[in-house]
Amino acid sequence: GQNIDQPTEMTATEGAIVQINCTYQTSGFNGLFWYQQHAGEAPTFLSYNVLDGLEEKGRFSSFLSRSKGYSYLLLKELQMKDSASYLCAVLDSNYQLIWGAGTKLIIKP
Amino acid sequence: GAVVSQHPSRVICKSGTSVKIECRSLDFQATTMFWYRQFPKQSLMLMATSNEGSKATYEQGVEKDKFLINHASLTLSTLTVTSAHPEDSSFYICSAREGRGHTEAFFGQGTRLTVV
Repeated sequence: GQNIDQPTEMTATEGAIVQINCTYQTSGFNGLFWYQQHAGEAPTFLSYNVLDGLEEKGRFSSFLSRSKGYSYLLLKELQMKDSASYLCAVLDSNYQLIWGAGTKLIIKP
Repeated sequence: GAVVSQHPSRVICKSGTSVKIECRSLDFQATTMFWYRQFPKQSLMLMATSNEGSKATYEQGVEKDKFLINHASLTLSTLTVTSAHPEDSSFYICSAREGRGHTEAFFGQGTRLTVV
């Protein structure tokens, strides 16, 4: 079956760095997405990786290793507004999005 | 990025009535639209996938007669919750993708449905 695993919840301190991991087992792979979702709102796009390596976009970076079925989202200089759920999703061979359950990130002052 | 508009953002309806939710792609042609529901503190649950001009494909456990999906044009898909019950209260979100070869799906703002 298809499976996306990510931690349920993480806590970090304002100004610090946090890494949210995602491992996946899917039928085919056409890329991996990270979305941010604040409570009560729809998800917003953060990043897309289809090749191995690190993609940096401001305070957020996303890493992919296809051979390991592994990705992480790295958030630097954490701000209180970064408190949200972070969703990992994989595009499978049929171009269907397979979603992880999301990681709730709590930022403390 | 592209814009997907979902309407209404919030709706309260009486038990037994039907509610229609619209999802529009404003600046691109969405050949595929996805409908999700999300309960508090849970991840997105895909309900159905609809391709323009064809019948929606429903996920296992989703009642197609209760959740009617229409994707009559390349810019509009609708989800109608028929004979709504309190257990249908949820956050419904649509997303749209331009085509099979395209990757990113753009999300609507979501609709908070409360059935009383």
